[in-house]
Amino acid sequence: GESVGLHLPTLSVQEGDNSIINCAYSNSASDYFIWYKQESGKGPQFIIDIRSNMDKRQGQRVTVLLNKTVKHLSLQIAATQPGDSAVYFCADLAGGSYIPTFGRGTSLIVHP
Amino acid sequence: NAGVTQTPKFQVLKTGQSMTLQCAQDMNHNSMYWYRQDPGMGLRLIYYSASEGTTDKGEVPNGYNVSRLNKREFSLRLESAAPSQTSVYFCASSEDLRRETQYFGPGTRLLVL
Repeated sequence: GESVGLHLPTLSVQEGDNSIINCAYSNSASDYFIWYKQESGKGPQFIIDIRSNMDKRQGQRVTVLLNKTVKHLSLQIAATQPGDSAVYFCADLAGGSYIPTFGRGTSLIVHP
Repeated sequence: NAGVTQTPKFQVLKTGQSMTLQCAQDMNHNSMYWYRQDPGMGLRLIYYSASEGTTDKGEVPNGYNVSRLNKREFSLRLESAAPSQTSVYFCASSEDLRRETQYFGPGTRLLVL
């Protein structure tokens, strides 16, 4: 995950809009990527993962896109709902590693 | 299933005091982890346990010790707390030490004065 400073980037959207949250990673050896959602006062919760042999993976209302060329992945949330308001962060693992490196996260605020 | 549970939820310590953070999981997972999360930063791994009877250092182990008491429980001890250890601590578990989903507890908020 990327280092973006002490303040979390924030994305504000209206309910019903699609949201796109971005993450850059630095290790070119990373081959497994995970998105987590963390609601206020709670622990992180797994959303979706993707391996480096794929460039897109879809879940329920979520899609992860991976661009290995520029070391970037994104999380797309369709028809964003107020319950989607949380901090989202990515994690990556390099080949042979079992311990993920976590990014700092993006705060998603959904306005009703 | 309760998943991963942590106690206490919140704790205030004075510099130099000691305490143990408790973690338990009921998913029969082999691997367990302790992370700390500081404002505006990603999770950083303190220690992990690949399986019962083994523990290994993570990215930021200084000032901490761990015990894998049994397959269910993994505790984190601060022997002499410092203000720099003020943080939110998360315990997590996974089925195995592979590229597996980690399941996180609700966290312990620690304030060291």
